[in-house]
Amino acid sequence: NAGVTQTPKFQVLKTGQSMTLQCAQDMNHNSMYWYRQDPGMGLRLIYYSASEGTTDKGEVPNGYNVSRLNKREFSLRLESAAPSQTSVYFCASIPTSGGPVYEQYFGPGTRLTVT
Amino acid sequence: LAKTTQPISMDSYEGQEVNITCSHNNIATNDYITWYQQFPSQGPRFIIQGYKTKVTNEVASLFIPADRKSSTLSLPRVSLSDTAVYYCLVGVAYSGAGSYQLTFGKGTKLSVIP
Repeated sequence: NAGVTQTPKFQVLKTGQSMTLQCAQDMNHNSMYWYRQDPGMGLRLIYYSASEGTTDKGEVPNGYNVSRLNKREFSLRLESAAPSQTSVYFCASIPTSGGPVYEQYFGPGTRLTVT
Repeated sequence: LAKTTQPISMDSYEGQEVNITCSHNNIATNDYITWYQQFPSQGPRFIIQGYKTKVTNEVASLFIPADRKSSTLSLPRVSLSDTAVYYCLVGVAYSGAGSYQLTFGKGTKLSVIP
């Protein structure tokens, strides 16, 4: 199993450009998440998808959109990139089985720079 | 979501036991306590989780007093490879309908010195 994969690993955008960050997991997990991590800071939740077909806003959703394409894939789109969106983006997933769930599996991250 | 407070940084020599304490005064009855580890340029990795008393696995131990208002992550005999940021998280974590969110604070940056 590859676990959680993210593409691309690195990206440089100009202000106003758009792009989509891809995330996929092969563990048959129901819930998926997008976080951003700024230098020296903890992770902040952007959006999450509790199950296929549903998405919800997290702590910092402004400037982003998401799509839960199917159970495996959860993409994050920046429609008009801004320098404030320069960050490392992590995708995560968790197994859901009706009981306590606490172990999030994280991808390797996408380092995005907006100039 | 219960707020957590933990030291910003800690230093330790190799071979020593390291204890990182996290305060969570407003922890709710259904909340679990979870610790993650993050190496530079990597995503966080789950290391241990507990509800009360003591939990031990191959990586660490987690001590939770009876009032559950704090918890202590214990790393035995640390090595240079344990240099990382450690996050304490508190929250309900049930699957199914409804939201499920974990809140990551700034964590504790542990530096292990040779």
